[in-house]
Amino acid sequence: GENVEQHPSTLSVQEGDSAVIKCTYSDSASNYFPWYKQELGKRPQLIIDIRSNVGEKKDQRIAVTLNKTAKHFSLHITETQPEDSAVYFCAASWSGNQFYFGTGTSLTVIP
Amino acid sequence: GAVVSQHPSRVICKSGTSVKIECRSLDFQATTMFWYRQFPKKSLMLMATSNEGSKATYEQGVEKDKFLINHASLTLSTLTVTSAHPEDSSFYICSAIKTENTEAFFGQGTRLTVV
Repeated sequence: GENVEQHPSTLSVQEGDSAVIKCTYSDSASNYFPWYKQELGKRPQLIIDIRSNVGEKKDQRIAVTLNKTAKHFSLHITETQPEDSAVYFCAASWSGNQFYFGTGTSLTVIP
Repeated sequence: GAVVSQHPSRVICKSGTSVKIECRSLDFQATTMFWYRQFPKKSLMLMATSNEGSKATYEQGVEKDKFLINHASLTLSTLTVTSAHPEDSSFYICSAIKTENTEAFFGQGTRLTVV
């Protein structure tokens, strides 16, 4: 199956700074790359996604970039706020038949 | 967004018994549902992918006779942990998608404790 690697596993930033989380995947057939945020005790929630025909997507303070050639994609959070503190997961999917998650990044935004 | 409901949220069972966990898409028909196991402070480990009316596809290392998955309808998938043992204690969570390459909606998860 697909192998999704995610780095870093933990990340601490000062409020207002940017946070970047990176993922790589192994299956070149993967064509859908969502990012999920999971707060303690809650279910994962989609925050942004990107498809293989797009290189970059932005939604307010959140952006995702995709490099299909290198098989990696990144999450960028700008102007971080304490409420951004959570665990973030990247995922890679191929036509809905696979849905594999990265190992997660625990983000702490320090006020 | 769409709603996925998972039941029960918590269950305690005796070693050797079986436990059934339900995953329902409440306001949409799910072409595919996924079952994950999540260890504390760890990622979501895909156990199996289930499509309505067909056999589930299990990931390597997941015992299909141990973790029975039934996707009886487009809105319901069940995971039965058979002959549960303490090492099966974990957080199990399902997700469902409407169509390929779209957002997966998660259930609230089930905390299973086998004593």
